[in-house]
Amino acid sequence: KAGVTQTPRYLIKTRGQQVTLSCSPISGHRSVSWYQQTPGQGLQFLFEYFSETQRNKGNFPGRFSGRQFSNSRSEMNVSTLELGDSALYLCASSSPGTASYEQYFGPGTRLTVT
Amino acid sequence: KNQVEQSPQSLIILEGKNCTLQCNYTVSPFSNLRWYKQDTGRGPVSLTIMTFSENTKSNGRYTATLDADTKQSSLHITASQLSDSASYICASPGTPLVFGKGTRLSVIA
Repeated sequence: KAGVTQTPRYLIKTRGQQVTLSCSPISGHRSVSWYQQTPGQGLQFLFEYFSETQRNKGNFPGRFSGRQFSNSRSEMNVSTLELGDSALYLCASSSPGTASYEQYFGPGTRLTVT
Repeated sequence: KNQVEQSPQSLIILEGKNCTLQCNYTVSPFSNLRWYKQDTGRGPVSLTIMTFSENTKSNGRYTATLDADTKQSSLHITASQLSDSASYICASPGTPLVFGKGTRLSVIA
């Protein structure tokens, strides 16, 4: 079974621009979560989508948004980029209802804002 | 407030030696505790998930322990290898999953 895929793997943007990142979950997984990872803060939760609905949201400004499609693929968008948005963005898919509710992470998208 | 704290922040050990990483959590209600290994530039990969009733769980050279009374977990790595060099992150489900900041382990020859 293929793992979680994320595109693009690397991205360089300029302050003020916007960016869209994509995540394809493991086949059959309907839950997708997004995280921002920086050296100082570690993994921080952005949001979770399940069956096209946002189920949970972290403490990030409204510039960060996401959506999920009917095939469970998910995108996140960051508008008006700031230097502090430079980070590794990870998505994780899971299959709610399993005993452990284990999350499987993708390789991440490395975003650099200049 | 749900929190997960890890120590040490970083660790350097010689190849073949053992080491122990610590994780303290204050997540409530507690359902399970997870350890992940993250290689540089990659996503975290699950090493083990421990539930309330499990005290010890092994995955090859990795052994995790859990003390639900003191809310502490440890990850013991036996006979370390160069490929063990990575960040080790513990996490526990609050809503959402709460992660520690990780321990950066470097194994040197």
